[in-house]
Amino acid sequence: EDQVTQSPEALRLQEGESSSLNCSYTVSGLRGLFWYRQDPGKGPEFLFTLYSAGEEKEKERLKATLTKKESFLHITAPKPEDSATYLCAVQARSGYALNFGKGTSLLVTP
Amino acid sequence: GAVVSQHPSWVICKSGTSVKIECRSLDFQATTMFWYRQFPKQSLMLMATSNEGSKATYEQGVEKDKFLINHASLTLSTLTVTSAHPEDSSFYICSAIRGTMAGLNTGELFFGEGSRLTVL
Repeated sequence: EDQVTQSPEALRLQEGESSSLNCSYTVSGLRGLFWYRQDPGKGPEFLFTLYSAGEEKEKERLKATLTKKESFLHITAPKPEDSATYLCAVQARSGYALNFGKGTSLLVTP
Repeated sequence: GAVVSQHPSWVICKSGTSVKIECRSLDFQATTMFWYRQFPKQSLMLMATSNEGSKATYEQGVEKDKFLINHASLTLSTLTVTSAHPEDSSFYICSAIRGTMAGLNTGELFFGEGSRLTVL
């Protein structure tokens, strides 16, 4: 059974304090690993898809990396507007459904 | 960017009544839509995959007679929670793929804003 575990559950950073969020996964054949951002009471917003170990993608202050067992979302010099819940999801080759982790709630204070 | 709209954004109903939630793709056609449920501080749990013109595919443990899904057009899927009970209170989110299934991997999966259901 596919499993996605995100850590930490919650993270509080000061503005400018870089850090990383972790997503550990087990899946029978990875089709893709997804990162989404979710604001309170809203639907998830797509950030990245990673397909194979060693792949990296960047968008503004965010950089996602992938290994065979985990993915990291690095946040460089975060700003308060980066505060949100970050969700990781995996898609197995056997289907198209996304299996989500519980998310990491990030709070960036000025 | 593409927009997926859900209505209502929140609803309160009495136990035993039925509630319908609509999911519309506003500027694209969606052959496939997904319905998720999210409890507080929990992950999104896939309930069912909705395909236009055919029966929905439900995930294990999701009662198809309780959560009725109708995908009657390429821009509209509806989820009806029948005989709702307090334990059905949750945040229901739909998503739609623009184009083919391959679009999932290129960010062409768009989520609605969610519908919060509270059953008294």
